[in-house]
Amino acid sequence: AQSVTQPDIHITVSEGASLELRCNYSYGATPYLFWYVQSPGQGLQLLLKYFSGDTLVQGIKGFEAEFKRSQSSFNLRKPSVHWSDAAEYFCAVGEVTTDSWGKLQFGAGTQVVVTP
Amino acid sequence: GAVVSQHPSWVICKSGTSVKIECRSLDFQATTMFWYRQFPKQSLMLMATSNEGSKATYEQGVEKDKFLINHASLTLSTLTVTSAHPEDSSFYICSARDWTSGSETGELFFGEGSRLTVL
Repeated sequence: AQSVTQPDIHITVSEGASLELRCNYSYGATPYLFWYVQSPGQGLQLLLKYFSGDTLVQGIKGFEAEFKRSQSSFNLRKPSVHWSDAAEYFCAVGEVTTDSWGKLQFGAGTQVVVTP
Repeated sequence: GAVVSQHPSWVICKSGTSVKIECRSLDFQATTMFWYRQFPKQSLMLMATSNEGSKATYEQGVEKDKFLINHASLTLSTLTVTSAHPEDSSFYICSARDWTSGSETGELFFGEGSRLTVL
């Protein structure tokens, strides 16, 4: 069975500092990989996704993620965090089949707090 | 870009009543939509896959008679929480797959979510 693990439940980072959020997955093959951000009481916003090709993926808001097959990881990074980046971040895995593509399994989420 | 809209955004109901939540794809047709629920400070859990013109496919542990899903048109899926109880209070989010974006894999869009509070 596939699974997604976000080891860090909560991260506090200073504004302007770098941020890295970890995500590990367990899947029979290379799945579709996603990072979403959710502000309190809001829906999900897609930051970036990986389907194939270049393993370093650029997203919105200055975020990037690197797919490492050998480590089954898809960690999210941002070089310099802004106060507006405080939110909940979810890593998700999607099945790579035509019919079920769209069914996502989400990690538990990482709450990011940004301090002045 | 494509938008998925949910209605209502907030709903409060009395225990024992039924509540309907709509998920619409506003500028594309979606043969498949997905329903998730999210408890406070928790992750999203897939409830079911909504298929236009056919029965929904429910995930293990989700009560089919409790959470009725109807995908009557290519732009609308509805989730009805029947005989709602306080434990059904949650944030319900839908998503829809757009195959018309030109991408080989299509694009996935999420709605804004609907918060249900059962008193």
